[in-house]
Amino acid sequence: DQQVKQNSPSLSVQEGRISILNCDYTNSMFDYFLWYKKYPAEGPTFLISISSIKDKNEDGRFTVFLNKSAKHLSLHIVPSQPGDSAVYFCAASLDQTGANNLFFGTGTRLTVIP
Amino acid sequence: DTAVSQTPKYLVTQMGNDKSIKCEQNLGHDTMYWYKQDSKKFLKIMFSYNNKELIINETVPNRFSPKSPDKAHLNLHINSLELGDSAVYFCASSQAWGAGDTIYFGEGSWLTVV
Repeated sequence: DQQVKQNSPSLSVQEGRISILNCDYTNSMFDYFLWYKKYPAEGPTFLISISSIKDKNEDGRFTVFLNKSAKHLSLHIVPSQPGDSAVYFCAASLDQTGANNLFFGTGTRLTVIP
Repeated sequence: DTAVSQTPKYLVTQMGNDKSIKCEQNLGHDTMYWYKQDSKKFLKIMFSYNNKELIINETVPNRFSPKSPDKAHLNLHINSLELGDSAVYFCASSQAWGAGDTIYFGEGSWLTVV
């Protein structure tokens, strides 16, 4: 059973606009959430994370929002750039030290149109 | 200089064969992993290996055997390959039992079993 879900397999956004990628999870015990970015023929790379004690974490153009009651998190990219075009994976962990217990979503392919 | 490197990148082989995928990291990390991304794009952990301690995901068939000659290498050996083994396999490493934000992935090895 997939505990982390990304229901939108793809998203297209105009350059300069906001990209919003969504992620839902089912396990209320998840304590730490991460976003990874993946370019074709490369492995995923860490982008941004958030602990369950926060509802927002910001890093430059990237902001992750967490709604624990709804078991939902989202990644906002503002402004979107063509170089942001990639597949974005949401992941969740039972604790911050559990890299061996990451549960990944299936990814959302973001295309930023120049 | 590639931090986590996997070879081969592409592998096409017949059912029943035995094959290995090699992984090396030059980050000085203590922990290494193998992930499998199947046709549905689920990225799931198979093994994690930390300081000679191997943790196996119990859903992985015993035809899969990781071998770690030293902490910089974690090779994946697969016996009696089956069609369902076709997938992309990602090697990764992280600081000792570190969180997902310290995990570095290799570029992936595309295995096709025919």
